[in-house]
Amino acid sequence: EPEVTQTPSHQVTQMGQEVILRCVPISNHLYFYWYRQILGQKVEFLVSFYNNEISEKSEIFDDQFSVERPDGSNFTLKIRSTKLEDSAMYFCASGRDLEQPQHFGDGTRLSIL
Amino acid sequence: QQQVKQSPQSLIVQKGGISIINCAYENTAFDYFPWYQQFPGKGPALLIAIRPDVSEKKEGRFTISFNKSAKQFSLHIMDSQPGDSATYFCAASYSGGYQKVTFGTGTKLQVIP
Repeated sequence: EPEVTQTPSHQVTQMGQEVILRCVPISNHLYFYWYRQILGQKVEFLVSFYNNEISEKSEIFDDQFSVERPDGSNFTLKIRSTKLEDSAMYFCASGRDLEQPQHFGDGTRLSIL
Repeated sequence: QQQVKQSPQSLIVQKGGISIINCAYENTAFDYFPWYQQFPGKGPALLIAIRPDVSEKKEGRFTISFNKSAKQFSLHIMDSQPGDSATYFCAASYSGGYQKVTFGTGTKLQVIP
């Protein structure tokens, strides 16, 4: 079964550094999402992306965050200047259309030191 | 109004017993209610989902009951097995919101032999 792939599985970064989290969505999917899960808490929506632009974003997704689909297969989340509170699991998800459920990757654990 | 409330926070069930997790929502625009299962170190995986025009959906040992007027829905796991031990998230989304998923706070289920 096709799956969403995320790399790296664990990223350790110094506070203030830029980090890029990478995702390869399922190939025929058109809708892309990033979520995050702070340890022990619920999964929170960050941003949705469709037709090469952001379709919706949460209040968490401030100017430090950006997303990009640089080619036909990758979907990235960039955090420009990381803070301690950015430490979390970041999940990428993709969906074929709005009638189908989203499929989630296994996440990238981001640790900010 | 975007919240999905979930209870209990944790649940211990004997093998063979019934696990019941309850959720409630406020936003009547939600039109899709998935349940996700998450094992440690993994992303949320879709377990079963329901739309508000149906009051019950069953897939194997998993059943969703949906009460539209009360804005409540629940997951029943029949004949619970140790392999069902995981964190379960109820969730809600609406197609007008590009299907961004709003998650409940999660229920950690432990099935003991």
